[in-house]
Amino acid sequence: DAGVIQSPRHEVTEMGQEVTLRCKPISGHDYLFWYRQTMMRGLELLIYFNNNVPIDDSGMPEDRFSAKMPNASFSTLKIQPSEPRDSAVYFCASSFWEQETQYFGPGTRLLVL
Amino acid sequence: AQSVTQLGSHVSVSEGALVLLRCNYSSSVPPYLFWYVQYPNQGLQLLLKYTSAATLVKGINGFEAEFKKSETSFHLTKPSAHMSDAAEYFCAVSGAGGTSYGKLTFGQGTILTVHP
Repeated sequence: DAGVIQSPRHEVTEMGQEVTLRCKPISGHDYLFWYRQTMMRGLELLIYFNNNVPIDDSGMPEDRFSAKMPNASFSTLKIQPSEPRDSAVYFCASSFWEQETQYFGPGTRLLVL
Repeated sequence: AQSVTQLGSHVSVSEGALVLLRCNYSSSVPPYLFWYVQYPNQGLQLLLKYTSAATLVKGINGFEAEFKKSETSFHLTKPSAHMSDAAEYFCAVSGAGGTSYGKLTFGQGTILTVHP
């Protein structure tokens, strides 16, 4: 298996622009997680899905952030409008309910100028 | 509610020396506990996990961790450090079932430096 795939790997944008991050989970996994990693706050869980349904979005910082999972093999995290404080590495992870182990993608490094 | 505290944001050891990275947790339900490693500019990789079976868990790359309920600890050890072990290590906890299922809470991370 190719593992969790994220795109783009790097994104540089200007404040106010819309940013869309993409994730393809491991085939057969029924949980998908979005995390944000910063020096100040460490690893934060933003939202997670089970069978394409959002279960807990309490970590989503503001209404500017939204996430969707239209099918079992694709998810997006959107920031609109983006702000410099959104600069971080965003990770997607997936898991299979019986195993509890989350498999992480390589991350998207976002820089908002 | 669950939380993780990693004692020491930076640990430095000599090559061949014992590695000890400390992790204490709190959880209102029986926990599942994990150690992940992150190499520079990469995602997190699972080292090992405790899911209520044996309290001494062996992982990849010679690492192991012991679950001690009385101390609410899950410290990570390796008898002999190698240069390639230099990375950031994260301890994480999730609730075993119920509404906490699948939701990992991570510690702040410990950066391990290995000196020649």
